[in-house]
Amino acid sequence: GENVEQHPSTLSVQEGDSAVIKCTYSDSASNYFPWYKQELGKGPQLIIDIRSNVGEKKDQRIAVTLNKTAKHFSLHITETQPEDSAVYFCAASKVTNAGKSTFGDGTTLTVKP
Amino acid sequence: DTAVSQTPKYLVTQMGNDKSIKCEQNLGHDTMYWYKQDSKKFLKIMFSYNNKELIINETVPNRFSPKSPDKAHLNLHINSLELGDSAVYFCASSLGQGNTEAFFGQGTRLTVV
Repeated sequence: GENVEQHPSTLSVQEGDSAVIKCTYSDSASNYFPWYKQELGKGPQLIIDIRSNVGEKKDQRIAVTLNKTAKHFSLHITETQPEDSAVYFCAASKVTNAGKSTFGDGTTLTVKP
Repeated sequence: DTAVSQTPKYLVTQMGNDKSIKCEQNLGHDTMYWYKQDSKKFLKIMFSYNNKELIINETVPNRFSPKSPDKAHLNLHINSLELGDSAVYFCASSLGQGNTEAFFGQGTRLTVV
């Protein structure tokens, strides 16, 4: 089955700096890669996603890159703000996987004011 | 309007008891899920239903029995609760199977004492 590894497990940055979280996946057939943000006491919420026919996607301060050959994808947050502090999860899935997304183990991001 | 709502938000119970968690989504999605998040924040899929039919059962003990009376509801019943069942349980739904955004509920924190 699919295996998703996520690094780092914790990340601390100063406000205004950039943050990068990386994930690798094992199943070359995976074609959908969402990123979720989980704030304290809440459920995960999608912040950006990318499909395998695209190499990069950007939404304001957030961007995701995908390298299908190397089977890794990354989340980039620029100009970080204290409200970006949360747990971030990457995931991988494919349309033939009957609804199953495999999640990374999460990254706890702390943005220091 | 809450998209995915689950009740209760907190559940404290003694070992050996039977309890249920209810989930409802008003998004018109066909696929619903139960995830378990442990104390280390790892998020693991337990079950997936598509149009009331079970499509994923991830080696969950048979003390856990999901039930989907209709495609808008997916309830989770747990028999003979054990200490190790303590976790946060998330219900989620998605439009498609495996390659679309999942919408999560706020979670149910289950504590078995």
